[in-house]
Amino acid sequence: ETGVTQSPTHLIKTRGQQVTLRCSSQSGHNTVSWYQQALGQGPQFIFQYYREEENGRGNFPPRFSGLQFPNYSSELNVNALELDDSALYLCASSLHSGSPYEQYFGPGTRLTVT
Amino acid sequence: QKEVEQNSGPLSVPEGAIASLNCTYSDRGSQSFFWYRQYSGKSPELIMSIYSNGDKEDGRFTAQLNKASQYVSLLIRDSQPSDSATYLCAVNPLGGAGSYQLTFGKGTKLSVIP
Repeated sequence: ETGVTQSPTHLIKTRGQQVTLRCSSQSGHNTVSWYQQALGQGPQFIFQYYREEENGRGNFPPRFSGLQFPNYSSELNVNALELDDSALYLCASSLHSGSPYEQYFGPGTRLTVT
Repeated sequence: QKEVEQNSGPLSVPEGAIASLNCTYSDRGSQSFFWYRQYSGKSPELIMSIYSNGDKEDGRFTAQLNKASQYVSLLIRDSQPSDSATYLCAVNPLGGAGSYQLTFGKGTKLSVIP
């Protein structure tokens, strides 16, 4: 069984740039959720994708967008980067119809915006 | 606003003792509750899930849920230095319908002293 993978591991961008982060879900999982974790905080829900459609969104502006592909992998895109976007971005996969909706995290992408 | 509250710690316990971690949540309709362990610089790892009132045991870990008091706890028996980490409490506020987003607390930092 393959776990959740994310790429890249680390990324440094300049304010105003755009970034794309990638995630491959655990084998057998059809739902991907993205979270942002600032230093010293718990993860905050950005959005979730199921059947290639957004299935719930947290309190994040529209410059945070995403995609899910037929193989259940997903991308998180952030436009017009701001310094406050510096954080650990976590992807979690789960089985939509399963119980208890356990979510398993990938290793994360550390984004630094300068 | 749906909130999950945890004591940020640090909680220090001697090796071999019982560590008790607590969490309260504001959404009375919440149905699913999770504990994640996060080592410094790593992503969260799911260690326990609980849905029914009472206790659930898995090895040295016991999760306790009291929905009437909106309280969930994690006990770690025979604490080891390798248990030193931040423990995140997470709640699914929608009870399994719709988006399965998780709301996290800020985490409790546990330090097990040899």
